[in-house]
Amino acid sequence: KQEVTQIPAALSVPEGENLVLNCSFTDSAIYNLQWFRQDPGKGLTSLLLIQSSQREQTSGRLNASLDKSSGRSTLYIAASQPGDSATYLCAVCPHTGANSKLTFGKGITLSVRP
Amino acid sequence: EPEVTQTPSHQVTQMGQEVILRCVPISNHLYFYWYRQILGQKVEFLVSFYNNEISEKSEIFDDQFSVERPDGSNFTLKIRSTKLEDSAMYFCASSRSVDTQYFGPGTRLTVL
Repeated sequence: KQEVTQIPAALSVPEGENLVLNCSFTDSAIYNLQWFRQDPGKGLTSLLLIQSSQREQTSGRLNASLDKSSGRSTLYIAASQPGDSATYLCAVCPHTGANSKLTFGKGITLSVRP
Repeated sequence: EPEVTQTPSHQVTQMGQEVILRCVPISNHLYFYWYRQILGQKVEFLVSFYNNEISEKSEIFDDQFSVERPDGSNFTLKIRSTKLEDSAMYFCASSRSVDTQYFGPGTRLTVL
């Protein structure tokens, strides 16, 4: 059974710092991995999706990498801002065709201090 | 930009009552999902739906749950007889294929 872990559960950094959020998963047979942002009491906003054949994806100040063989992904946030404060979730999709259910980690709650 | 919408945003019900949570997926998407998130816990998969039938369901999705696509735009989750432990945030999601899933804002279900 796929397990997704995100450590630490919470992180606090000063504004302007570059930071890395980690995600690990137990079964490397994945189809893709998706990073989401969740603001308190709100829905999930998709940030980046990496296909299993890719090594990284970039969007603005965000860069996500994937090392499928070691079961790891990282989300790099450059020049963090207070508006980046949120919970960041990673989720993996299994490599079984039409079965595209996502298995989520518990998330990392990021606080960027002004 | 197209969005997944969900109604209501908050539903309060008595234990044992039936509830229907509604979702309007993005219009050209073909895959539809329901997830839930109990307060403080992980987002959990409930069910996926494609080509007018369930593709997969989790062990949470027992006989008390059902899904329906009653017309070309809505996608509903019905809980027949709610329990206290059904209290959670319920998210609908849709995708065009097996790629990025787009989530709605959620319905907070409170069972008293």
